Amino acid sequence: EPEVTQTPSHQVTQMGQEVILRCVPISNHLYFYWYRQILGQKVEFLVSFYNNEISEKSEIFDDQFSVERPDGSNFTLKIRSTKLEDSAMYFCASSDRTSGGNYGYTFGSGTRLTVV
Amino acid sequence: KNEVEQSPQNLTAQEGEFITINCSYSVGISALHWLQQHPGGGIVSLFMLSSGKKKHGRLIATINIQEKHSSLHITASHPRDSAVYICAVSSNRDDKIIFGKGTRLHILP
Repeated sequence: EPEVTQTPSHQVTQMGQEVILRCVPISNHLYFYWYRQILGQKVEFLVSFYNNEISEKSEIFDDQFSVERPDGSNFTLKIRSTKLEDSAMYFCASSDRTSGGNYGYTFGSGTRLTVV
Repeated sequence: KNEVEQSPQNLTAQEGEFITINCSYSVGISALHWLQQHPGGGIVSLFMLSSGKKKHGRLIATINIQEKHSSLHITASHPRDSAVYICAVSSNRDDKIIFGKGTRLHILP
C-alpha cells in the first residue's frame, strides 16, 4: 500500500535554529498538506499546497514557516527560527482529489520536533 | 465553540462490547473523515464519507448531513482497537480540514 514518508521521525533543535521537515507524498497525489499537533492538543491545519503554490494557510502559518516542493518527490516544511512553542508532532498528508470529488487522505507517521 | 465536537472524550469498555463514538459539526462540509491515532502518534485514515454509511471489517461509519452528525461504530471490540479516534471535516469553503479533539478509547481484555 502506498505510504507518505516523513523524515526525520524525531528532531531536537536549539531555539532560534532553522529546521526542515521532509515528506515524500504518494507519487500520483497532487495535493499536499502540513498539520501539527502540540502534545495533548488536537491536530491543527497549517498549510495546503497544490500546483507548486500554497492554496490555503492557517493563522499559525506565519512568516516563520515556508513550504517547498524542491523536486518531483519531496515536500518540505521549513521553520526559520524555532521557538519553544513550535515543539509538536508535525504530520504531512497528501490526497488524490479525483474528479468525482471523492478523495482520500494519506497521512505520514509524523516528525516529532522538540525545541530546547 | 469548536466547529467539530466529539463525544465521549474518553471511553473505557470491555472486550467484545459494541462501541459508538459521535461527532457533530457546525460548518458546511464536503466530506467527513474518521482517523485513528495510535499511542506512538501516527495517524491512519479509517473512513471518508460524504453521505450514508461505510463499513470496513468491524468498523462502521455513518453520516447524517441534515443533522450534521456522524457516528463511528466498532463491533466486537478488541484491546488492539485502543487508540484515539479523531473526527475531522473538510470545509466546503476552503481547502482546510478541521479536527475534533479526539476520543480516547481503551478496551480492556
